[in-house]
Amino acid sequence: AQSVTQLGSHVSVSEGALVLLRCNYSSSVPPYLFWYVQYPNQGLQLLLKYTSAATLVKGINGFEAEFKKSETSFHLTKPSAHMSDAAEYFCAVRGTNTGNQFYFGTGTSLTVIP
Amino acid sequence: DTGVSQDPRHKITKRGQNVTFRCDPISEHNRLYWYRQTLGQGPEFLTYFQNEAQLEKSRLLSDRFSAERPKGSFSTLEIQRTEQGDSAMYLCASSYGGGETGEAFFGQGTRLTVV
Repeated sequence: AQSVTQLGSHVSVSEGALVLLRCNYSSSVPPYLFWYVQYPNQGLQLLLKYTSAATLVKGINGFEAEFKKSETSFHLTKPSAHMSDAAEYFCAVRGTNTGNQFYFGTGTSLTVIP
Repeated sequence: DTGVSQDPRHKITKRGQNVTFRCDPISEHNRLYWYRQTLGQGPEFLTYFQNEAQLEKSRLLSDRFSAERPKGSFSTLEIQRTEQGDSAMYLCASSYGGGETGEAFFGQGTRLTVV
């Protein structure tokens, strides 16, 4: 079975500071991992995905994530936070059963302090 | 490509009433998913369609919930005899093809409030 765990339900950073959102996965097979962002009262928007082609994945809005098998991690980073990055971020793993549905973490709320 | 659309965006209903939500996926997508999201939580899988066939249902989907995708295009999710615990955001997502590498595209959700 696949699952993800997001460490830290709330993260605050100053504008211009490094953003680091943590995600650890559990999977008995090579995982396919995703980061989504959700703004208030909106659906989820894909930031980036890991599909085993490269361990460092670049996404939209300057975000990137690195797949580390030895640490079973897929942390999301951005070198310099912008006010518009304030949102809820979800890590997800895609299942390998019939529907390949996504299993989401509980989310991390990012606050950017001006 | 107009994205995944959901209707209505907001629904307030009295306990015990029935409600129905609609999802229009991206036109060429054969897979459609329903998720439920409560405050402070990640989306939880409810059910999955491939074309018109409902292939998987979560244990979260009680017998008061029913979903259809009659012609493999739009889908409806009905909740009968709503309860206050049904209050949540209901998200629809679609994707194309098989395999695990493709992303799902999400609609903006329907927020249900049961009073």
